[in-house]
Amino acid sequence: GAVVSQHPSRVICKSGTSVKIECRSLDFQATTMFWYRQFPKQSLMLMATSNEGSKATYEQGVEKDKFLINHASLTLSTLTVTSAHPEDSSFYICSARWDLAYNEQFFGPGTRLTVL
Amino acid sequence: AQSVTQLDSHVSVSEGTPVLLRCNYSSSYSPSLFWYVQHPNKGLQLLLKYTSAATLVKGINGFEAEFKKSETSFHLTKPSAHMSDAAEYFCVVSLTLFTDKLIFGTGTRLQVFP
Repeated sequence: GAVVSQHPSRVICKSGTSVKIECRSLDFQATTMFWYRQFPKQSLMLMATSNEGSKATYEQGVEKDKFLINHASLTLSTLTVTSAHPEDSSFYICSARWDLAYNEQFFGPGTRLTVL
Repeated sequence: AQSVTQLDSHVSVSEGTPVLLRCNYSSSYSPSLFWYVQHPNKGLQLLLKYTSAATLVKGINGFEAEFKKSETSFHLTKPSAHMSDAAEYFCVVSLTLFTDKLIFGTGTRLQVFP
C-alpha cells in the first residue's frame, strides 16, 4: 500500500512553454502533498506544501507564480512550471501523507524536466 | 533551527563487510528521524524511522539505526553489505512540533565493490 505515482516520468520542453506534472496517491487519500526539487547530485529541497482544497504554502525563495500548485482532490496534486527556462531543469519529486498523526511521507518516483 | 548533517558524501565498502553511514541532527524539539534510500532513477524508499519509541530501530533489507540523544546522532548500519545496497542514502529530520516539513541531509553515496 501507500503508492504514489508521478506523470510524466520524463519531459523535455522548449524554453518559454509550460509543463504540468501530476502526482497521484493510488491507494490512499492524501490530505497533504509536498513538492520537492532535486538538483543533480544534491539533496531534496522542499518547494511547497499543499493541502486539499486550499492554497499551497511555498517555501522562501520559491516563486509561486512560476510554480503553480493545485491540489484539487485527495488523490491528485499538480505542479505546473510556467514559462520554463533552462535553469528550471531539475528532478521534481512529490510526496503524500494521509494523516498528520501518521508522520510519514510516501514519495513518488520523480519527474525529470529538461528545458531546452 | 533543525538540521541534519551527513558526515560522509561517499562511502565505499566491499560486499559482505559492514556498512556505517553517519548522521548528526540538530533539533530544539524531540525529532522524528528517517533514513531514505534512492536508487538511480527511482523514487525514495523509506528504510526506517525513529519516532520516540525504541532507540534502536530496525528497518528493511537488514538496515538498522540507533538514536543517541547524548550524541545527537542517528547512524545507519548494516552488518553485511550487498551489491544491491549501492545507492544514495538520505538522513531526514521531521519538525514534529509545529510542522511536518522534512529536512533532508545532503546524502551519502554508498558504493559496494565485489
